[in-house]
Amino acid sequence: DAKTTQPNSMESNEEEPVHLPCNHSTISGTDYIHWYRQLPSQGPEYVIHGLTSNVNNRMASLAIAEDRKSSTLILHRATLRDAAVYYCIPSNYGGATNKLIFGTGTLLAVQP
Amino acid sequence: DAGITQSPRYKITETGRQVTLMCHQTWSHSYMFWYRQDLGHGLRLIYYSAAADITDKGEVPDGYVVSRSKTENFPLTLESATRSQTSVYFCASRAHTNTEAFFGQGTRLTVV
Repeated sequence: DAKTTQPNSMESNEEEPVHLPCNHSTISGTDYIHWYRQLPSQGPEYVIHGLTSNVNNRMASLAIAEDRKSSTLILHRATLRDAAVYYCIPSNYGGATNKLIFGTGTLLAVQP
Repeated sequence: DAGITQSPRYKITETGRQVTLMCHQTWSHSYMFWYRQDLGHGLRLIYYSAAADITDKGEVPDGYVVSRSKTENFPLTLESATRSQTSVYFCASRAHTNTEAFFGQGTRLTVV
């Protein structure tokens, strides 16, 4: 299984950018990197995913290192609603990473 | 309504009783998952299913039974509930291994 390492917690100020790192040095060549977040008292929700290229959507951007051993989720302007636990998860067709295993994640606090 | 729904939302049961948590999705997604989340902790995968009649163990399968006779339903049964199974249970589904997963609103189970 590909292992991930994320900071336990991070803080940000409202309306400032946030960069959430994830190390996944044992990722396989065909593992996508998925990000989910869990707001307080809610189920997880999908944020973004990518394979090699940087990806953007309405919620965030995902920057993937050229060697794919790390990635960074970027929230361009943090809001109070972005306070959540963020998880990066390698996910691949077949094999153990098909199971969508959550690690410990990063607890993001956003200060007004 | 389209989506993924869990029932019941809240359940209190006694030690030793059999309990079944229901999960229903309307998209005909191939993959379905069951997680548990203990208070203050992360999500742990109990079982997952890649298609009807195909299920596999996750990280913490002991004490749980699943079945998937129809694509849209993925019930989770606690054959003899124990207090250690008090938790919030989340069901999820996704179409393919590299698409976003959608989570239900959760079932809060208390075993007394």
